[in-house]
Amino acid sequence: DAGVIQSPRHEVTEMGQEVTLRCKPISGHDYLFWYRQTMMRGLELLIYFNNNVPIDDSGMPEDRFSAKMPNASFSTLKIQPSEPRDSAVYFCASSPEGAVNYGYTFGSGTRLTVV
Amino acid sequence: AQSVTQPDIHITVSEGASLELRCNYSYGATPYLFWYVQSPGQGLQLLLKYFSGDTLVQGIKGFEAEFKRSQSSFNLRKPSVHWSDAAEYFCAAMDSSYKLIFGSGTRLLVRP
Repeated sequence: DAGVIQSPRHEVTEMGQEVTLRCKPISGHDYLFWYRQTMMRGLELLIYFNNNVPIDDSGMPEDRFSAKMPNASFSTLKIQPSEPRDSAVYFCASSPEGAVNYGYTFGSGTRLTVV
Repeated sequence: AQSVTQPDIHITVSEGASLELRCNYSYGATPYLFWYVQSPGQGLQLLLKYFSGDTLVQGIKGFEAEFKRSQSSFNLRKPSVHWSDAAEYFCAAMDSSYKLIFGSGTRLLVRP
């Protein structure tokens, strides 16, 4: 089991550029979550999917942020245009149906720096 | 609003000493409760979880946590800390929405 795989591990981009973060959940996991971690705000849930369908995107900060899950093995979080205040570590996590209340499995994160 | 509070930003203990990290929650009903650990540059690893039943739960790496309904608390403990335990610890809670809400974290420093 390779765990939750996120790419890239690090991303440095210039303000105004589009950024795409990628996540491959654990095979068979029906729930996928995107979190953002910053010093000021801690760990914030941005959006989560169940069976590839977005269930709650109330944590997405602005229209510049969008997330998709085209299939059960892949999700993207896109920021367009990026701003320096988007600099953070973005985590993806997944969980199986029926065991989501057992907690999630997190990926190693993508550290985004917008300059 | 639902929330999880970790009142200690930093805690420093000597290696071999006991440890207690505090966590309080504010939910309408008793949520599912969790402790995660994050080492520098790493993701979050689940240490232990509480659903119901025995209020003292055992986790990995020698950690345990005690649920106290009367105090809305779920404190993490370890009888003897090792230098490798230095990390950031997050308490979290989940209700029936399956949304995991995290506290602000407590950074543990271990003195040799």
